[in-house]
Amino acid sequence: GAVVSQHPSWVICKSGTSVKIECRSLDFQATTMFWYRQFPKQSLMLMATSNEGSKATYEQGVEKDKFLINHASLTLSTLTVTSAHPEDSSFYICSAGPLTEAFFGQGTRLTVV
Amino acid sequence: AQTVTQSQPEMSVQEAETVTLSCTYDTSESDYYLFWYKQPPSRQMILVIRQEAYKQQNATENRFSVNFQKAAKSFSLKISDSQLGDAAMYFCAYRIAGSGNTPLVFGKGTRLSVIA
Repeated sequence: GAVVSQHPSWVICKSGTSVKIECRSLDFQATTMFWYRQFPKQSLMLMATSNEGSKATYEQGVEKDKFLINHASLTLSTLTVTSAHPEDSSFYICSAGPLTEAFFGQGTRLTVV
Repeated sequence: AQTVTQSQPEMSVQEAETVTLSCTYDTSESDYYLFWYKQPPSRQMILVIRQEAYKQQNATENRFSVNFQKAAKSFSLKISDSQLGDAAMYFCAYRIAGSGNTPLVFGKGTRLSVIA
């Protein structure tokens, strides 16, 4: 079946640095990808909608300058956490696919120290 | 705005028994999809079952079935013959059906424990 691959699966970075997370659709083209954030023992919250060739759409309360999204091709969307701080530590998950089924990446556990 | 409510933060079931997880949602849309996703400790999201709102027949996937009550906006998941591998976090999710791609809206989840 269709697969969405996310990389890295985990990353530790120093406070103030930037981290890039990649989300790839391996066997289908994705004009739209979604980025979610999941805090421990909580649900997935939509951060932004990534659109190929155009600007991302961010949910209310999500800082677009902190969470930069680039969707430069039909198979790749990237989320860059800029000037990361400990409160940005979380689990980030991307998703893509048809309306009838959303395929999820493996997720990225980000720890900012 | 669409919302999804899972009123059971935790549930437990004996191995081989049946358990039902509850989910209600709120929407003014007539065409949408409902899903149950499983998230094991690996945190990989796994689709368990899907229901199209326009279909009256309840979806079934092996040991998993749903009770879809559109008028009541209820979408419960029944797991029959529970197995140890069913232990996980279960999320109910809603998605508007439209011309473009739309995000999933998730409930808060139900943690299911299976007792041997």
